[in-house]
Amino acid sequence: QVQLVESGGGVVQPGGALRLSCAASGFAFSDSGMHWVRQPPGRGLEWVAFIRFDGSDKHYADPVKGRFIISRDNSKNTLYLQMNNLRAEDTALYYCAKELYDSGSYDYWGRGDLVTVSS
Amino acid sequence: QSVLTQPPSVSAAPGQKVTISCSGSTSNIGNHYVSWYQQVPGTVPKLLIYENNKRPSGIPDRFSGSKSGTSATLDITGLQTGDEADYYCGTWDRSLTAGVFGGGTKLTVL
Repeated sequence: QVQLVESGGGVVQPGGALRLSCAASGFAFSDSGMHWVRQPPGRGLEWVAFIRFDGSDKHYADPVKGRFIISRDNSKNTLYLQMNNLRAEDTALYYCAKELYDSGSYDYWGRGDLVTVSS
Repeated sequence: QSVLTQPPSVSAAPGQKVTISCSGSTSNIGNHYVSWYQQVPGTVPKLLIYENNKRPSGIPDRFSGSKSGTSATLDITGLQTGDEADYYCGTWDRSLTAGVFGGGTKLTVL
């Protein structure tokens, strides 16, 4: 069955960096667009970034543009999110999510990985 | 402040029907498919509706979606206590070139 497993989260100081990984299995990862979505504690869902199935197209939410980089390695079935110059407002549970073909919807989600930015 | 507007909360009695609205604009809902997600507190969001009105396998037909112009709605009939959750609408915004979500609606089954 489809599995998405995030890792790499933790506590980091403001201005620091982290790289999240999302290991995918159970589906054709190299054929699927992938997204990162985050959820600050006690708050709603926030879309973060998208990468096309072949990595040729990427988009970012305005609050992370210029600081976060989404990438993928289809040979390893893994999605990444490099997060630089982290801010307190980046504190959230980060989910990777698989896009249902080109529908703009997310049919599978990982369990999430917590990123805490604090001094 | 979310790009898509949802009511913060709705409530209804077991067995009744509830409607959750999601309002946007021509740059998002007006020109893109809408999806809906259910998130029981402490769990991962689950896809309920995609492409405005389609249900993934395993989602009961008590859940239905529709779209008209720049607004979308999620209807839940035959409410059950297990339906208590937060519900989010989502779509793509062509002006932002970004995914967008509503702020979420907390459903209470009285």
